[in-house]
Order: sequence, then structure tokens, then C-alpha cells
Amino acid sequence: GAVVSQHPSRVICKSGTSVKIECRSLDFQATTMFWYRQFPKQSLMLMATSNEGSKATYEQGVEKDKFLINHASLTLSTLTVTSAHPEDSSFYICSASSPGRSVLTDTQYFGPGTRLTVL
Amino acid sequence: GENVEQHPSTLSVQEGDSAVIKCTYSDSASNYFPWYKQELGKRPQLIIDIRSNVGEKKDQRIAVTLNKTAKHFSLHITETQPEDSAVYFCAAILTGGGNKLTFGTGTQLKVEL
Repeated sequence: GAVVSQHPSRVICKSGTSVKIECRSLDFQATTMFWYRQFPKQSLMLMATSNEGSKATYEQGVEKDKFLINHASLTLSTLTVTSAHPEDSSFYICSASSPGRSVLTDTQYFGPGTRLTVL
Repeated sequence: GENVEQHPSTLSVQEGDSAVIKCTYSDSASNYFPWYKQELGKRPQLIIDIRSNVGEKKDQRIAVTLNKTAKHFSLHITETQPEDSAVYFCAAILTGGGNKLTFGTGTQLKVEL
């Protein structure tokens, strides 16, 4: 149980295009999903927190108009990188949590990540 | 906000030896401390966690200790094997209501034959 999937696993796009990444919780309802970005040999950096049915909360320094997050259902959140540029190339990982699934903790279950390369 | 420091950034041990990774956190309200193992290009995998009402937890070759007073927690891996080679991240969180995990900077563990 507690499986999170991400699609696509890898994407290469041209500069200026938009890319959508999907994050799904397969066997539980995720009230909260998190989006992280990880550059090579660095830690996970939280970009935003999304709660189902409400606007995402972005971390300081993350442009909300560039990284559009939608959490329309309890099993799906999407991250759209708009007008992508080479500096947006990174490993994007989502995670999902559901307080009801683990009563005492907010254990986060991670997706497999999406490798974005912007040419 | 919470700040988590992790040391060392790289650790090389011989197969069969023990490895210890240490973390400190700043927010005394944090009450849940997971450890993740991440292999290159893959997702972080939860390997062990500890809550603030417990001082130590063990799962086979892996153990975690927590010192709330000093705000330190450590990961101990005994009898290391080559497959333990990976990046390990500690994290801290105040649970309840989808709060944010704060990650440490990671430790690259290399187990040499």
C-alpha cells in the first residue's frame, strides 16, 4: 500500500514550451501533496504544498505563475512548468500524505520522480 | 522555521563496518524524524523513523537514536553491505495537518569491498 506514481518519468522539451507532470496516489486518498525539486547532488527542495480543492502554498522564491499546481482530486495533483528554460532542468518529485492513513504521523510517500531536461 | 543540519556529507566505510550519520534540528516542537535512502535517479525510500516520545528504535541492521534535549538524532547502520551505498537524508516535521518535512542536506554513503 501507499503507492504514488508520477508521469512522465522523463521528459525532454524545447525552451519556451510547457510541461505537465502528474502525481497520483494509487491506493489511498491524499489530502496533501508536495512538490519537490532536486538538483544533482543536492537535497530535496520543497516547491509547494497542495491541498485538495484549494490553492497551493508556494515556498519563498518559487514563482507560482511559472509552476502551476492543481490538486483537483484526492488522488491527483499536477505540476505544470510553463515556458520552461534550461535552468528549470531538474528532478521533480512529488509526495503524498494522508493524516487519516497514519494517525500519528504525516508520513510522506514519494513518487518515482520526473527528470526534466529543457534544451 | 525548522532547520536541519546533517553530517557528514560523504562517508566511506569498508564492508562490514558500521556507519553513523548525524543530524541536528532547530525547532524543539518537531516530533517526527524519518530517514530516507535515495539511490541515484530514484525516489527517496523511508527506511526508519522515530517519534519524539521514543529515544531509540531498531530494525535489523538499522537503528535511530534521538536526543530531544540536544535536538540531535542519528542513523546507525551496522554490518554495512555494498547495497547500502546511497544518499541518506534525515528529516524533521511537526506532525498534524499536512505540515512540511524539512530535509537535511544528505550523506553520500559508499560501502567499499
